[in-house]
Amino acid sequence: KAGVTQTPRYLIKTRGQQVTLSCSPISGHRSVSWYQQTPGQGLQFLFEYFSETQRNKGNFPGRFSGRQFSNSRSEMNVSTLELGDSALYLCASSLEVTGDYGYTFGSGTRLTVV
Amino acid sequence: AQTVTQSQPEMSVQEAETVTLSCTYDTSESDYYLFWYKQPPSRQMILVIRQEAYKQQNATENRFSVNFQKAAKSFSLKISDSQLGDAAMYFCAYRSAYSGAGSYQLTFGKGTKLSVIP
Repeated sequence: KAGVTQTPRYLIKTRGQQVTLSCSPISGHRSVSWYQQTPGQGLQFLFEYFSETQRNKGNFPGRFSGRQFSNSRSEMNVSTLELGDSALYLCASSLEVTGDYGYTFGSGTRLTVV
Repeated sequence: AQTVTQSQPEMSVQEAETVTLSCTYDTSESDYYLFWYKQPPSRQMILVIRQEAYKQQNATENRFSVNFQKAAKSFSLKISDSQLGDAAMYFCAYRSAYSGAGSYQLTFGKGTKLSVIP
């Protein structure tokens, strides 16, 4: 059974550019969440999607957006990149929206903004 | 808002010995879930163990067990017979049982880096 797949694994972008990160959840999982991990702030919640609907968004500026497709795959987009957006972006999926049994995480996308 | 505190940024343990990682949390809710996740250098967060707040019995998964003290809001992880493969960052996480309280997002602590000495 394939795990959560995030692409690309590494990305280098220039300040001011935009970037799109992709997440394919485990087959059958309908809930996808995104987290940003930095050394200073730790792990912070970005978005949560279930059945193509955004259920909640964390305390991030409007430059951060996301969506979920009918096959449960999700993308997140960051526009007008800033140096502080450099981080590991983790995607997690669960079978149901509640995630009672925990989420399965991908290996993340390491974004570096220069 | 809920907060999760891991007071030990780094810890080390001799191979085959036992180590306990601490986690405290702050919440006004009575029903919630607690998790321990392991993040090795491969970066993937791996679920180690979960605990449902309404269950008094401490969760156990092979060499991993927790000491859940609901009144004290404490959720420590004990690793027995430590192995080299246990070396990783360990994160404690909280999740409300109620979506109305802010969806099902996880609130993480800052993590504890565990080193295993051969």
